[in-house]
Amino acid sequence: DVKVTQSSRYLVKRTGEKVFLECVQDMDHENMFWYRQDPGLGLRLIYFSYDVKMKEKGDIPEGYSVSREKKERFSLILESASTNQTSMYLCASSLQGGKTKTQYFGPGTRLLVL
Amino acid sequence: DQQVKQNSPSLSVQEGRISILNCDYTNSMFDYFLWYKKYPAEGPTFLISISSIKDKNEDGRFTVFLNKSAKHLSLHIVPSQPGDSAVYFCAASERASGSRLTFGEGTQLTVNP
Repeated sequence: DVKVTQSSRYLVKRTGEKVFLECVQDMDHENMFWYRQDPGLGLRLIYFSYDVKMKEKGDIPEGYSVSREKKERFSLILESASTNQTSMYLCASSLQGGKTKTQYFGPGTRLLVL
Repeated sequence: DQQVKQNSPSLSVQEGRISILNCDYTNSMFDYFLWYKKYPAEGPTFLISISSIKDKNEDGRFTVFLNKSAKHLSLHIVPSQPGDSAVYFCAASERASGSRLTFGEGTQLTVNP
């Protein structure tokens, strides 16, 4: 059974703090993604990675960075959290060059920045 | 620029009836489409997909229809069940973008007993 786990389900941080969100997948997938979900805006891609140490900007990378040191782990970093980064953060993974493009999602981290 | 649009934020249907969720796209290079279901406090789960070489794909109670000329796809759920109440996202991908998906805004489906 495919499994994507995220380090926290809920986080409360203060403005200006550095925030780390961790994601781990056990499916040996090459691709990993970070999204944020906001009401009325759907899922918006922040960053993705198609290989270890590789990263690509998504649609809304400003204020975020990522790290992929191991194939199974993809971290999202908020260098200096701001209130407009309060959101649900979703991690996903998928196979490279798979017949389908199905992405498998973790349970999400709900982040509140005060 | 929203390339994938779900114009109905919400839909309410009676148990046992058909639910039809709609999705429009603007990018003619999209060649693969997916539907995801999301319950509150959970991540989205894959439901059904369709390639642009087909116009219909069926899996149990779920059928996805693709109208390429209209750049429109729809998800039909028959019969609808209360457990189908969730947010449904459509997503699209183009060959050039590899594994990257573009998601719509989502439609909240409520199935009333």
